[in-house]
Amino acid sequence: GAVVSQHPSWVICKSGTSVKIECRSLDFQATTMFWYRQFPKQSLMLMATSNEGSKATYEQGVEKDKFLINHASLTLSTLTVTSAHPEDSSFYICSARGQGFQETQYFGPGTRLLVL
Amino acid sequence: EDQVTQSPEALRLQEGESSSLNCSYTVSGLRGLFWYRQDPGKGPEFLFTLYSAGEEKEKERLKATLTKKESFLHITAPKPEDSATYLCAVQARRRDSGGSNYKLTFGKGTLLTVNP
Repeated sequence: GAVVSQHPSWVICKSGTSVKIECRSLDFQATTMFWYRQFPKQSLMLMATSNEGSKATYEQGVEKDKFLINHASLTLSTLTVTSAHPEDSSFYICSARGQGFQETQYFGPGTRLLVL
Repeated sequence: EDQVTQSPEALRLQEGESSSLNCSYTVSGLRGLFWYRQDPGKGPEFLFTLYSAGEEKEKERLKATLTKKESFLHITAPKPEDSATYLCAVQARRRDSGGSNYKLTFGKGTLLTVNP
């Protein structure tokens, strides 16, 4: 139980294009989903938190208009990196928390984004 | 500001050589302390959640303990397949008006290598 998937697992795009990453909870309903980014040999940094049906809450320093988050259902959240630039290249990981899991977040396998 | 410090940064063990990883934390109102395992290029895999000082949890060769200031992850008779980065994270109730009440603050991790 508590499986989270992400798609795609890796993506290469040109500078200026937009990229959408999907995060799905496969066997539970995720009341809250989280988006993190991780640079090489660095820890995970929370970007934003989303609750189903409401607007995402962004961490300080994260551009809301650049990283669009949608949590339209209890099993799906999407992160869209708009007008991507090389500095947006990173490892993006989502996590999900459901009712009955207390405080535990379960993580997806991550999406590696490379912007050329 | 919540802070998590993990030590050592890297640990190299021989198969069967037991040891401990440390996670020191500073947080106001700890809701939970989490241990995850992360393999290269993958998302974190949940191991344990600890909620109060004195609590202990075990899973196969791993045992996690918690005090008011730190947590230890004890590895007994490790095997090469235990090689990974072990991440510690704390969750505290947010003090600001916005943001997530379930934010995880991660340490930088301990890279464990177990040689056969």
